[in-house]
Amino acid sequence: DAKTTQPPSMDCAEGRAANLPCNHSTISGNEYVYWYRQIHSQGPQYIIHGLKNNETNEMASLIITEDRKSSTLILPHATLRDTAVYYCIVRVRTYNTDKLIFGTGTRLQVFP
Amino acid sequence: DVKVTQSSRYLVKRTGEKVFLECVQDMDHENMFWYRQDPGLGLRLIYFSYDVKMKEKGDIPEGYSVSREKKERFSLILESASTNQTSMYLCASSAVLDTGKVFTEAFFGQGTRLTVV
Repeated sequence: DAKTTQPPSMDCAEGRAANLPCNHSTISGNEYVYWYRQIHSQGPQYIIHGLKNNETNEMASLIITEDRKSSTLILPHATLRDTAVYYCIVRVRTYNTDKLIFGTGTRLQVFP
Repeated sequence: DVKVTQSSRYLVKRTGEKVFLECVQDMDHENMFWYRQDPGLGLRLIYFSYDVKMKEKGDIPEGYSVSREKKERFSLILESASTNQTSMYLCASSAVLDTGKVFTEAFFGQGTRLTVV
């Protein structure tokens, strides 16, 4: 199964863009990249996902490189409430199974 | 709103006890998952189920078993609890990809913090 690699921690000033990188060099053609975040004491919360194309929603943008070996989650205007652990995940889909493989995540600290 | 409900938020059990962690989802999801979360190790998949009575081992199944008798309920069983199973346990559910459903992301419960003494 494809694994992901993320930096353990990052800082970002409030109001600036937070760019969180993820390496998934062994990803297969049918595996999706998902991003979740976990605020202390809560279950992980879905942010965005993509297969090959860049994606944007009301929370974030996801940029996937053309070779699909890495991606970047962009929070365009970080706020203090975005302080959390961010997980980049590969979703493995076979003919009868469908599972999320988590890594260790990036702890994002947004400071005033 | 999707609800994934775990039966207990906090649990304290003794070594050697049989422990049941229950998870219920109300979205008619096919997939259900059990993870454990430990500091510095992220979320690790213990077991998952893609249909009633169907299950597959995740990365760390040793010391655990699961049961899925009904679609909405997925139970994690610690046959004989040990102190190294002290952890946060998270249940999740999702619809299967490529079935035409709009929301296929996994939804998580709030977690059960289990302490084995």
